[in-house]
Amino acid sequence: DGGITQSPKYLFRKEGQNVTLSCEQNLNHDAMYWYRQDPGQGLRLIYYSQIVNDFQKGDIAEGYSVSREKKESFPLTVTSAQKNPTAFYLCASSSSGWNTEAFFGQGTRLTVV
Amino acid sequence: AQSVTQLDSQVPVFEEAPVELRCNYSSSVSVYLFWYVQYPNQGLQLLLKYLSGSTLVESINGFEAEFNKSQTSFHLRKPSVHISDTAEYFCAVSANFGNEKLTFGTGTRLTIIP
Repeated sequence: DGGITQSPKYLFRKEGQNVTLSCEQNLNHDAMYWYRQDPGQGLRLIYYSQIVNDFQKGDIAEGYSVSREKKESFPLTVTSAQKNPTAFYLCASSSSGWNTEAFFGQGTRLTVV
Repeated sequence: AQSVTQLDSQVPVFEEAPVELRCNYSSSVSVYLFWYVQYPNQGLQLLLKYLSGSTLVESINGFEAEFNKSQTSFHLRKPSVHISDTAEYFCAVSANFGNEKLTFGTGTRLTIIP
């Protein structure tokens, strides 16, 4: 079945450690996105990539990094510079541009202790 | 810049009663509008979208939304809700040209009371 796979579903890390969240899609979509979801704040865009080997910062990119070496993969690294990393992270993809339907993964809940 | 306002953070509704979830947007250009639904501990799924044409759009599970340009609104309605409609609903907007990103509202949690 086509879709987006995020792993792991739950992740625990100690403060000060970098952690990488995986996002893979087999929809042959050009565009991929990372969002952060916090209670009462909706979804906030961290990074997005509209084509392989290219990505742009979203609204809250500080403390995060990404790579897009393959069309189907868009991993997100939460670095120790991110001051409040505990959140629900959602990866999405779309065939092209912002006006096409975005397909979301199941999310990764990151807890930093 | 564009923005989306969902004024109701929580909406409790009795089963089989009608519901309206409000969404207002702000944009200096023409827009595309979306409603996404998120069930507990899951990602978001597209419920319905307005790109052009008829201002009334419908989903397969009985929801509908109407684009009202003069009131800059895209309210979501369902005439009779079911327990399975319990979820969080997000309204989103993007400009219909250029590279303006998709902007989400803060969400409305719909709780169905048996």
